[in-house]
Amino acid sequence: TQLLEQSPQFLSIQEGENLTVYCNSSSVFSSLQWYRQEPGEGPVLLVTVVTGGEVKKLKRLTFQFGDARKDSSLHITAAQPGDTGLYLCAGQGAQKLVFGQGTRLTINP
Amino acid sequence: NAGVTQTPKFQVLKTGQSMTLQCAQDMNHEYMSWYRQDPGMGLRLIHYSVGAGITDQGEVPNGYNVSRSTTEDFPLRLLSAAPSQTSVYFCASSRQGKSFYYGYTFGSGTRLTVV
Repeated sequence: TQLLEQSPQFLSIQEGENLTVYCNSSSVFSSLQWYRQEPGEGPVLLVTVVTGGEVKKLKRLTFQFGDARKDSSLHITAAQPGDTGLYLCAGQGAQKLVFGQGTRLTINP
Repeated sequence: NAGVTQTPKFQVLKTGQSMTLQCAQDMNHEYMSWYRQDPGMGLRLIHYSVGAGITDQGEVPNGYNVSRSTTEDFPLRLLSAAPSQTSVYFCASSRQGKSFYYGYTFGSGTRLTVV
């Protein structure tokens, strides 16, 4: 069974600070996806990374896929209250998308 | 462009009752799946389908059945509801491509309570 460990599970910081969320596994994935989920809604895709070492930027969010395609990180620069939400990483295995437990992020004004 | 539509949004069942959660997508996606989301456990895969007529089990399939008679629809059946099946259920779809999959599109979920 492929497992993804996401850390931290909870993070509360002040507006303007930087933060990093980690997603680690002992398994190799063909791609790693990051989702954001709002209360009462389904997860919404932020980015997919496919190539080992790949870095993608989405405004203030930077996503990186580990060289061995076993881990990933999400870095947010100058966090804003609108970044508050549940962030989920997910690894694509053979016909299955495996999720980490999620990071509940709160940005305080 | 509706995406993935799940019905109902909320449901309360008594222990032992059966019901079907509906899922439909209008994007012509080959791949569809069902997840349940419980506090502190992320999303866990129940069943999935890579195309019409093909289904397979995920991580937590016990107590659930699925079928895929059309590309658009992928219903999830609870055979005899138990309190342990109280959860939020999400349906998701994706198009397939070579050795990796494109991102998934999720429905807005069905919140199920079994009493």
